[in-house]
Amino acid sequence: NAGVTQTPKFQVLKTGQSMTLQCAQDMNHNSMYWYRQDPGMGLRLIYYSASEGTTDKGEVPNGYNVSRLNKREFSLRLESAAPSQTSVYFCASIAQGAGGNTIYFGEGSWLTVV
Amino acid sequence: SQKIEQNSEALNIQEGKTATLTCNYTNYSPAYLQWYRQDPGRGPVFLLLIRENEKEKRKERLKVTFDTTLKQSLFHITASQPADSATYLCALDETNNDMRFGAGTRLTVKP
Repeated sequence: NAGVTQTPKFQVLKTGQSMTLQCAQDMNHNSMYWYRQDPGMGLRLIYYSASEGTTDKGEVPNGYNVSRLNKREFSLRLESAAPSQTSVYFCASIAQGAGGNTIYFGEGSWLTVV
Repeated sequence: SQKIEQNSEALNIQEGKTATLTCNYTNYSPAYLQWYRQDPGRGPVFLLLIRENEKEKRKERLKVTFDTTLKQSLFHITASQPADSATYLCALDETNNDMRFGAGTRLTVKP
């Protein structure tokens, strides 16, 4: 049972280049998220998908696009990378319960934009 | 403005002692609050959830309290071990689709 799998683990981009971070979950969850984590700032939500076919902006969506390809897969695209997008990116899948949601994170993707 | 503050960036304690981490928030009214553990180079892992109507919750050596009047949660690790060394994140629900995270406290337990 892999949980949440994201690729690539590490990537270096030049300013202006584009790339897509891939994410897949095998827990049959409806909701999936993309976060970025920066030193001293905690995790910030970029985009989320509450169900297959829907996507919504989170706290910091500018410069990103997402695609919910199917129930398993949720990708994050940087169309024109900027140095400010240097960060660690986490994909997450959410188990929704009556008492609250539990977040399952992937292992992270370290992105450097030079 | 809305804030989630974790008491300190780093906390060092001796093995066997109780570690206490603090999470304070302003301008939120969360229905529940969560604690996660994050090891270097890894994603956060869920530890505990406590609802607004619960004062305290325990799981093995972990204890969480939630005071909605003080707008504070305390996270305790009793009989701490070097293996407990990690960064601990608190998170609370902003809406049903958005959990907001604190910046974390890096705990080091020295043998």
